[in-house]
Amino acid sequence: GDSVTQMEGPVTLSEEAFLTINCTYTATGYPSLFWYVQYPGEGLQLLLKATKADDKGSNKGFEATYRKETTSFHLEKGSVQVSDSAVYFCALSAGRRALTFGSGTRLQVQP
Amino acid sequence: ETGVTQSPTHLIKTRGQQVTLRCSSQSGHNTVSWYQQALGQGPQFIFQYYREEENGRGNFPPRFSGLQFPNYSSELNVNALELDDSALYLCASSLGLAGGPEAGELFFGEGSRLTVL
Repeated sequence: GDSVTQMEGPVTLSEEAFLTINCTYTATGYPSLFWYVQYPGEGLQLLLKATKADDKGSNKGFEATYRKETTSFHLEKGSVQVSDSAVYFCALSAGRRALTFGSGTRLQVQP
Repeated sequence: ETGVTQSPTHLIKTRGQQVTLRCSSQSGHNTVSWYQQALGQGPQFIFQYYREEENGRGNFPPRFSGLQFPNYSSELNVNALELDDSALYLCASSLGLAGGPEAGELFFGEGSRLTVL
């Protein structure tokens, strides 16, 4: 079945540091890939997505590239801010199947 | 436009009881999905409703059931509650089914946190 594996947290960084959160997936067919973010006290929000191989999704300074050869969709940001502190979920959707989420990675950014 | 709203936000039940959770979808959205998020885990798909009919179900027993109403709002019902049902229950609305042109464009509510004692 479909599955998503992402690095365990928490990830603790200083402000303006470079961020990478690893995500790999297993799926039948050609899935669409997503990153969702859950800020404290808020619902899940779509951060970015990519629907085919080599696509790059980007939003709010975050980027992720759909790598079919390595079945990966790593999230990156060049300079994190305290306001980026949240839980980040990698997810996929293949065919008409609903979203499959990873277990989430908590990011803590210190001033 | 109003977003996805869920009620209640928190509730406590005892084992064996039944619970109903409610969700109002975002304006214009005709599809509602329900997810269970255990503490420290990612959301797990329960089922999806499209135009008042169940359309896709995850690995959850039949005691998890749902409804979608003509205004596209939805209910999640869980019978014979077990301790492991303690979780955050998330509702998400979208326009169209998974796999369609807007596949994955889900808009989530803040969830209903259920504690089973």
